[in-house]
Amino acid sequence: NAGVTQTPKFRILKIGQSMTLQCTQDMNHNYMYWYRQDPGMGLKLIYYSVGAGITDKGEVPNGYNVSRSTTEDFPLRLELAAPSQTSVYFCATRTDTGELFFGEGSRLTVL
Amino acid sequence: AQSVSQHNHHVILSEAASLELGCNYSYGGTVNLFWYVQYPGQHLQLLLKYFSGDPLVKGIKGFEAEFIKSKFSFNLRKPSVQWSDTAEYFCAVLLNQAGTALIFGKGTTLSVSS
Repeated sequence: NAGVTQTPKFRILKIGQSMTLQCTQDMNHNYMYWYRQDPGMGLKLIYYSVGAGITDKGEVPNGYNVSRSTTEDFPLRLELAAPSQTSVYFCATRTDTGELFFGEGSRLTVL
Repeated sequence: AQSVSQHNHHVILSEAASLELGCNYSYGGTVNLFWYVQYPGQHLQLLLKYFSGDPLVKGIKGFEAEFIKSKFSFNLRKPSVQWSDTAEYFCAVLLNQAGTALIFGKGTTLSVSS
């Protein structure tokens, strides 16, 4: 089992460009999350999903969008990239008891 | 609003020293508690978890944590740290099993010198 797979691992964007971070899981978990991690700030929740077809905003959703058409996939779309979106992004799935399984992260730089 | 506080931002220890990292949360209801570790350049991994029962839980690599309900605390301990324990440690709380997302503390960076 691959667990949680994120792509790409690294990406450099110019201001105003758009891109999609892919996340796929083979754990059959209903809950999926996107976090961003900035130095000294911990993890901030961007969006989450409790199942296919259901998504909701987290703490810092502005500038991002998500979709959840299948249990396996939870892509994160960045529209009109800004320098403030330079960060490391983690996708995660969750068991019913709350244990999270993280992908390896996607490091995004916006110049 | 509910929050998780990790009071130590950066801890520096020598090998074989004992470790205790503080974690407090603000929520009066049922919680599930977690400690995650992030080694340099890697993603977060589960260190240990508490759902119910014995408030002293043991995790991987010799770590343990104690849940003290009256203090809303879940402190992480290790009797003797190793250089390989150098990492960032995050406390996280799930507000009852029906909760949707974990709330994370801001993390504590542990540096262990050999």
